[in-house]
Amino acid sequence: SQKIEQNSEALNIQEGKTATLTCNYTNYSPAYLQWYRQDPGRGPVFLLLIRENEKEKRKERLKVTFDTTLKQSLFHITASQPADSATYLCALEDRSGYALNFGKGTSLLVTP
Amino acid sequence: DAGVIQSPRHEVTEMGQEVTLRCKPISGHNSLFWYRQTMMRGLELLIYFNNNVPIDDSGMPEDRFSAKMPNASFSTLKIQPSEPRDSAVYFCASTWDSQNIQYFGAGTRLSVL
Repeated sequence: SQKIEQNSEALNIQEGKTATLTCNYTNYSPAYLQWYRQDPGRGPVFLLLIRENEKEKRKERLKVTFDTTLKQSLFHITASQPADSATYLCALEDRSGYALNFGKGTSLLVTP
Repeated sequence: DAGVIQSPRHEVTEMGQEVTLRCKPISGHNSLFWYRQTMMRGLELLIYFNNNVPIDDSGMPEDRFSAKMPNASFSTLKIQPSEPRDSAVYFCASTWDSQNIQYFGAGTRLSVL
């Protein structure tokens, strides 16, 4: 089965810096990979999707890369703000194509 | 659109009692997912439906768990009898998208004493 690894330790950065979160997987390469944001007491919210044939995707201050050779996705937040503090989850399409497998998430704290 | 609606938001019950969690997906969505989230195990898929039909329930931990989707606008997840280890946050999500972009409800926090 697919094993998805995200940094379990919280990432603390200073406002204005770039935050980089990592998602590694061990088995098959999915057709696409997604990133979600989760705030305390709330459900995950979709942020970005990147397909296997795309190396990079951008949305405002967010950038996602997808390297199927390394079996890794990187999620970047540039010019980070305290409001970016949350847990970020990566999710991979499962083999059936119907469902997603989620990583455990990385907690990001942006301090002023 | 009101988004995915889950009820109740919080549920506290005693071991052995029946618990029913409810979900109303976004109108027009044809797939619905039930997840359980804990610190230890993260977000685990329990079961998902496509066009009201259960497709894969291999994530359901044991026979004490059951889920139904009698129509396109309503689903339930039932635990009978409940046990303390069932304590977690349960999420429902829905999608219509072939790329499976999922829309989550606010979750139900279940505590079994």
